[in-house]
Amino acid sequence: AGLTQPPSVSKGLGQTATLTCTGNSDTVGDQGAAWLQQHQGHPPKVLSYRNGNRPSGISQRFSASRSGTTASLTITELQPEDEADYYCSAYDRSIPGWVIGGGTKLTVL
Amino acid sequence: EVQLAESGGDLVQPGGSLRLSCAASGFTFQNYWMHWVRQVPGKGLVWVSSVRGDGRDANYAVSVRGRFTISRDNAKNTLFLQMNSLTAEDTAIYYCAREADSFDIWGQGTMVTVSS
Repeated sequence: AGLTQPPSVSKGLGQTATLTCTGNSDTVGDQGAAWLQQHQGHPPKVLSYRNGNRPSGISQRFSASRSGTTASLTITELQPEDEADYYCSAYDRSIPGWVIGGGTKLTVL
Repeated sequence: EVQLAESGGDLVQPGGSLRLSCAASGFTFQNYWMHWVRQVPGKGLVWVSSVRGDGRDANYAVSVRGRFTISRDNAKNTLFLQMNSLTAEDTAIYYCAREADSFDIWGQGTMVTVSS
């Protein structure tokens, strides 16, 4: 069990990217997933909580949603600074503990 | 300002032990679950362990269960990770993180290298 993310996504400047995170009923299907952004050489930063809310200071261009056991992060109007690694995270009640997806490297062309 | 600062990372031989610390400031430390997350440079994030605010409940990833022990000193606003029987697979940057419906605050990380 774990969270599955596509290893890489490439989109053009100004386009919209949708990143996915597939879990199961013990993870995403239970309490949703949070999203983290990590730029090279820096610690991660939270973009979206499990309830879908954004922390203060996070652009409205980032929005999270969930359908069943799959969580999604949509980034609109892609900017060069959006190029980063994106991770989803969720509580896994079967462990119990947290799990983090393998990450998606977003490239902005 | 809410901050976390890890320390204690070092070069250690296989089979050795190491204790990491994470100093918290700017928030009521005892009110939060706290976590350790590690990352091999260039690879993904991996959750390691978590401890409840009062220190009476803890969880561990299967890969470290029985070798690592998480603890906290709420009087000193400090989180710890005691790591024993270290192997090369434990080599990573270790981050401490606060839980508030996600890992909402992160430290800068401390590097642990296990090598002879």
